[in-house]
Amino acid sequence: QQQVRQSSQSLTVWEGETAILNCSYENSAFDYFPWYQQFPGEGPALLIAIRSVSDKKEDGRFTIFFNKREKNLSLHIKDSQPGDSATYFCAVLNTGNYKYVFGAGTRLKVIA
Amino acid sequence: DPKIIQKPKYLVAVTGSEKILICEQYLGHNAMYWYRQSAKKPLEFMFSYSYQKLMDNQTASSRFQPQSSKKNHLDLQITALKPDDSATYFCASSQEQGANQAPLFGEGTRLSVL
Repeated sequence: QQQVRQSSQSLTVWEGETAILNCSYENSAFDYFPWYQQFPGEGPALLIAIRSVSDKKEDGRFTIFFNKREKNLSLHIKDSQPGDSATYFCAVLNTGNYKYVFGAGTRLKVIA
Repeated sequence: DPKIIQKPKYLVAVTGSEKILICEQYLGHNAMYWYRQSAKKPLEFMFSYSYQKLMDNQTASSRFQPQSSKKNHLDLQITALKPDDSATYFCASSQEQGANQAPLFGEGTRLSVL
């Protein structure tokens, strides 16, 4: 049972483009949605997060767009840089048990 | 400086042996967690502790036992190791276990069981 789905296993964009990473979920009890960035050999690092009462959250080049009705969200990385090449995980908080469920991740490659 | 310290970074074990994975956090957080990551599965929740008390256990096997000797410590003891236990084990923490408290992760311990 896949509660959180990231639509692409991998994504390649050119430097300067906007990378769009998509995530969808099944359970309406999910309330808080962090995104994590993970480089090889490192732990996941919290990047940006949004609550279900908002439809957009921006932090520098990173923006989350959230659609509660459709149960999906996307992470936009503006002006992508080669240093953004990493795996990005969407996570959702189940307010029923306060556990985070992670998607399988999208591996982003930014080509110079 | 890393605020969540996991030791060792790499660990090789033989089948049937026992190992302890160490985790200490210096963030002043009250909730700590263990997650597992392998090629087969994404980040998978294992345990959560809040104020040194076990809150949730999603690990079917009793071979995995968390141990919290101090508020900022949460070690993971794994007994009777199997090759399938090979994975990266991440310790994480948050101020509290609850809404809007996304966990912060350590660097992980990469375990290989031969």
